[in-house]
Order: sequence, then C-alpha cells, then structure tokens
Amino acid sequence: KQEVTQIPAALSVPEGENLVLNCSFTDSAIYNLQWFRQDPGKGLTSLLLIQSSQREQTSGRLNASLDKSSGRSTLYIAASQPGDSATYLCAVDMDSNYQLIWGAGTKLIIKP
Amino acid sequence: EAGVAQSPRYKIIEKRQSVAFWCNPISGHATLYWYQQILGQGPKLLIQFQNNGVVDDSQLPKDRFSAERLKGVDSTLKIQPAKLEDSAVYLCASSLGGFTGELFFGEGSRLTVL
Repeated sequence: KQEVTQIPAALSVPEGENLVLNCSFTDSAIYNLQWFRQDPGKGLTSLLLIQSSQREQTSGRLNASLDKSSGRSTLYIAASQPGDSATYLCAVDMDSNYQLIWGAGTKLIIKP
Repeated sequence: EAGVAQSPRYKIIEKRQSVAFWCNPISGHATLYWYQQILGQGPKLLIQFQNNGVVDDSQLPKDRFSAERLKGVDSTLKIQPAKLEDSAVYLCASSLGGFTGELFFGEGSRLTVL
C-alpha cells in the first residue's frame, strides 16, 4: 500500500531564503507526482506535475525533482517571499486514473 | 475561464441531520472528484466520476454518503445522517481526463457537525 509522507509538518523561514520541501513515498511504481499549494480556507492549486519518466519540472521560482528509485521528491523554492506562505502538499498517482494518494502537507511560513 | 464552483462554502448542522453539497466543474472537464479533507490531513478521495459514470467509490461510506452526477456535468454529494466525524472540508475537483494529469479544485465546502 502506497504511503506518502511529508516532513516537516511545519517550517518557518525568513524572507529571501531558498528552501526545500520534502516528499517521500513507499512504492516507487508511480505514474506521476504532483505538488499543490493550499491557502487557508481555499482549495488546492496545482503547482507542478512530474511524470514518472521525468527528473524535474520548473515553474518560475519553483523547481520540483523526482527520484523514483529512492522514493523521494523535493520542491525547491528560490528567494522565498511572504506570499509563498501556505501549505504545500504532494500527491502521487499510481495508475493514471488520477486517484491521488496524498501527503499531509508542510505548512510553510515566510517571515518578512 | 471559470473555475470549479462549489456551494455552500460553510454549513453547520447537528448530528443525524442531512446536508448536500453542490459542484459545477470546469466546462468540458469529463472527470469529477469529491474529496474529504480533515483538518491537518491530506485529501481523501470519496468518489470519482468519468462523465456520469462512477470510476471509483471504494472509500465512500455508502451507508450515509451518496453522490450523483447528472448529465455528466454538475454533481451533488449528500450526507444523511451526519456524524461528528464528518466534520471536514469537502473538495470538488475536475480534470479533462485522458493523460493531462492536472486537477483543478474548487474552494471547498466546510462542514461542521455539532
């Protein structure tokens, strides 16, 4: 059974720092992995999707990497800003049916 | 382009009462999902529709939860009777289907059961 873990559960860093959020999964036979952002009281916004054949995806200040063999993905945020404060969740898709298996998220606070 | 619409945004009911949530997906999106998100946890898939057919409802508590998607567009999720542990945010998401992968979420319906 696939399990997705995100550590730490919460992270607070000063504005301007580069930071890395971690996601690990137990079964490496994934179809794709997605990173989402959730603002308080809001739904989720897809940030990056990495197919199983890819190693990384980039969007602006965000870079997501995928290492299937070790069961890990990282989300790198460059030059963090207070507006980046949110909860970041990763989710894996095992069989292309988009029945995602989710981590519990990392709550990120960027201090001005 | 309009996003995924959900209503109501908030609902407070007493246990054993019933409640219904409505979702209107992005136009043209064939796949629709209902998720339950308990505070501090990731979303849990309740049901997935492809057009108006059910793809997966294995985690839907069918003794109290029901969902339908009429004409392959709007969907409703009903809980009857509600229990205290049903307090959560109910998220609706849609996608084009196929192999695009990207899900688009509504803002959710927050349910509090007293």
